[in-house]
Amino acid sequence: GESVGLHLPTLSVQEGDNSIINCAYSNSASDYFIWYKQESGKGPQFIIDIRSNMDKRQGQRVTVLLNKTVKHLSLQIAATQPGDSAVYFCAEGRGFQKLVFGTGTRLLVSP
Amino acid sequence: DAGITQSPRHKVTETGTPVTLRCHQTENHRYMYWYRQDPGHGLRLIHYSYGVKDTDKGEVSDGYSVSRSKTEDFLLTLESATSSQTSVYFCAISALRDSNQPQHFGDGTRLSIL
Repeated sequence: GESVGLHLPTLSVQEGDNSIINCAYSNSASDYFIWYKQESGKGPQFIIDIRSNMDKRQGQRVTVLLNKTVKHLSLQIAATQPGDSAVYFCAEGRGFQKLVFGTGTRLLVSP
Repeated sequence: DAGITQSPRHKVTETGTPVTLRCHQTENHRYMYWYRQDPGHGLRLIHYSYGVKDTDKGEVSDGYSVSRSKTEDFLLTLESATSSQTSVYFCAISALRDSNQPQHFGDGTRLSIL
């Protein structure tokens, strides 16, 4: 889940496992949600997005689920690989292009 | 990768000095943003631009100014740097006004103010 402190929550998985990273968003009026991946020393990289009129969207090896009732977003990564190790964070969009970002979850993938 | 170049990538400077960070894009996108990233916080918006010479403040704009004289360049200036502005700064771009479009980020500038 998302962190409110200095230490990011960490999800440790084995290579080949499925990973699920969770995010609680704050504003029920948000209508757009994005997942980003950030590797050390690099900028956030767009993974997948979803609009509020959808509850599921699939990409390559990734699926985003949106539960508006409880304001919850999750990112599922299938067959996790060592290259998936990074910090993942969600962002919610409300209004003109103003995204609000979570603090992230660290994913560690062991060979 | 989106064509976004941030410069410098690293900078160390002293309190009270002016600092300018540059973001250059080759995508011809209309919208550009400056964020800062600090431990315990998500990315926070400093300023953004919705066209040449058109800019507006974000949530943490105090102590920062921006300029955009060309579509491809967005400059962030710290007029008199303070230690609280030590951070990693990211530039982002997006193509459309519709909020349902992802922003794409550069690789950041790590700024240390001593």
